[in-house]
Amino acid sequence: KAGVTQTPRYLIKTRGQQVTLSCSPISGHRSVSWYQQTPGQGLQFLFEYFSETQRNKGNFPGRFSGRQFSNSRSEMNVSTLELGDSALYLCASSLGAGLDTEAFFGQGTRLTVV
Amino acid sequence: DQQVKQNSPSLSVQEGRISILNCDYTNSMFDYFLWYKKYPAEGPTFLISISSIKDKNEDGRFTVFLNKSAKHLSLHIVPSQPGDSAVYFCAARSLGGDKIIFGKGTRLHILP
Repeated sequence: KAGVTQTPRYLIKTRGQQVTLSCSPISGHRSVSWYQQTPGQGLQFLFEYFSETQRNKGNFPGRFSGRQFSNSRSEMNVSTLELGDSALYLCASSLGAGLDTEAFFGQGTRLTVV
Repeated sequence: DQQVKQNSPSLSVQEGRISILNCDYTNSMFDYFLWYKKYPAEGPTFLISISSIKDKNEDGRFTVFLNKSAKHLSLHIVPSQPGDSAVYFCAARSLGGDKIIFGKGTRLHILP
């Protein structure tokens, strides 16, 4: 079956702009989590959605937000972009809620803020 | 302050030998630990996990050990194979499952 699909794969934005990233989970999966990966901070948890509801949230400012649609697809939005937001953004899907079971990751969206 | 630490940025191991990747944590409220493996240009892949009520979990060549008193866990890969060369992330879930925290990763090189 098809894996987790993230679009776009690469993105270049300027400071102050906003960006929306998309994630389509594996068919049948209802949980989607988002992560930010940077060389300095490693992999950090952003938030988790399950059945259109945000269940968990990491320690990121309010500029980072997300939502999940009825078909489980999820979007992540970052407003007022800063240079430090340049990172690989990864999305993971899993069958059930919670972060302790198998989560399947997409290839990520590489965001560069200039 | 890093709550999950992988103090070795990289590790080289001869093919066929045992690879041991270490992870330390500071929060005794973590109740679940996971290991992920990541190849370049791909997303992380779930490898193995362990609940805080256990001290060992085994899956094929991979075994995770948890020492709660030392707040330390380790991933053992036996025998190491060339395809094991990747970055390994240790992660911990807080009690109640409201967040997951990753270490910065350890790059494992399997030498021929």
